[in-house]
Amino acid sequence: GAVVSQHPSWVICKSGTSVKIECRSLDFQATTMFWYRQFPKQSLMLMATSNEGSKATYEQGVEKDKFLINHASLTLSTLTVTSAHPEDSSFYICSAIRAGRGTATNEKLFFGSGTQLSVL
Amino acid sequence: AQKITQTQPGMFVQEKEAVTLDCTYDTSDPSYGLFWYKQPSSGEMIFLIYQGSYDQQNATEGRYSLNFQKARKSANLVISASQLGDSAMYFCAMREAPGAGSYQLTFGKGTKLSVIP
Repeated sequence: GAVVSQHPSWVICKSGTSVKIECRSLDFQATTMFWYRQFPKQSLMLMATSNEGSKATYEQGVEKDKFLINHASLTLSTLTVTSAHPEDSSFYICSAIRAGRGTATNEKLFFGSGTQLSVL
Repeated sequence: AQKITQTQPGMFVQEKEAVTLDCTYDTSDPSYGLFWYKQPSSGEMIFLIYQGSYDQQNATEGRYSLNFQKARKSANLVISASQLGDSAMYFCAMREAPGAGSYQLTFGKGTKLSVIP
């Protein structure tokens, strides 16, 4: 089955620093990746859609300058939380669609294992 | 309005018993897909089952089955013969009619299932 690797699995950082989270599709090419944020005991909220070779599409209310997304290759997307603050502490999870798949509604997403970010 | 509604924040089930997790959805698109994902305490999202809006039969995957009632816009997940390892958060999700880049899923708030020995 398709595997998505997300790294790091957890990170603690000081307020004001930047943190980079990587999302890799290990055995398939991913034209599109998604970044979600999840607060404790809540659902996943889509932050942005990342397309290889183009700018990410951000959901309403998500700060583009704070959450930088780069999808430089078909197997890697990165989310950088810039100048992190305690309110950015959350669980971030990525997902990917295999390249070449049609836009059928049954194309399922493959998820990374998530990154727990704690900003002190 | 919420597109996916899961009304049960938490559920308990005895080991080896069956349990139904509720999910209702709202869409005006004739073509859509419904998904269930399991999220253990480790955080990963595990795909369980898929139901397409045009599928004539209810989807089944091992111990998981989806009770799809299109007219009621409900897609309840049934887990048979519950196991301790089934304890997790369960999310219902929907993808509406495909369009350019329209792969994204809309998730419900989830139901925390606890299996009791």
